[in-house]
Amino acid sequence: NAGVTQTPKFRVLKTGQSMTLLCAQDMNHEYMYWYRQDPGMGLRLIHYSVGEGTTAKGEVPDGYNVSRLKKQNFLLGLESAAPSQTSVYFCASSYSASSGRWSYEQYFGPGTRLTVT
Amino acid sequence: QKEVEQDPGPLSVPEGAIVSLNCTYSNSAFQYFMWYRQYSRKGPELLMYTYSSGNKEDGRFTAQVDKSSKYISLFIRDSQPSDSATYLCAMSYNYNTDKLIFGTGTRLQVFP
Repeated sequence: NAGVTQTPKFRVLKTGQSMTLLCAQDMNHEYMYWYRQDPGMGLRLIHYSVGEGTTAKGEVPDGYNVSRLKKQNFLLGLESAAPSQTSVYFCASSYSASSGRWSYEQYFGPGTRLTVT
Repeated sequence: QKEVEQDPGPLSVPEGAIVSLNCTYSNSAFQYFMWYRQYSRKGPELLMYTYSSGNKEDGRFTAQVDKSSKYISLFIRDSQPSDSATYLCAMSYNYNTDKLIFGTGTRLQVFP
């Protein structure tokens, strides 16, 4: 199993450009998450999804959009990148309680380092 | 005020030392408490979890929860250079949760 994979690993954008970050998991998890991690700020939840076709806002959703068209994929979009979106982005996934597995354990991908100039 | 507070460190200790990492929280409704370990340039991985109050031991690691003080700790005995990482605490209200609340992380460096 590959676990949680993220594409791309690195990216440099100019202000105003758009891009999509792709997250894929092969563990049949129901829940998926997008976080950003900045020095001194810890992990902050951007958006999350509790199942295919569903999305919800997290702590810092402004400037980002997400889609979960397939259970195994969760896409994070930046429509018009700003320097404040320079960060490391992590995707994570977990089981739901209805699957009979504990849902507090989140499995993280390796991260995407994004720089917006 | 953040729901979960964690000293960012860095904490630098010699090999073999006992390390104490701590988090405080403000919401008494938290029931599940976790510690994640994050190596440099990697994603976090679950290290330990505890439910409600008490201690849990796993090898050289002990997780402790004091709900009356809203304080959790992770102790590392006989610390090794391979323990050098950032340690994040995380909390949730129940096991059927769709979100975890993370601390900011404490960076630990164990030197030989």
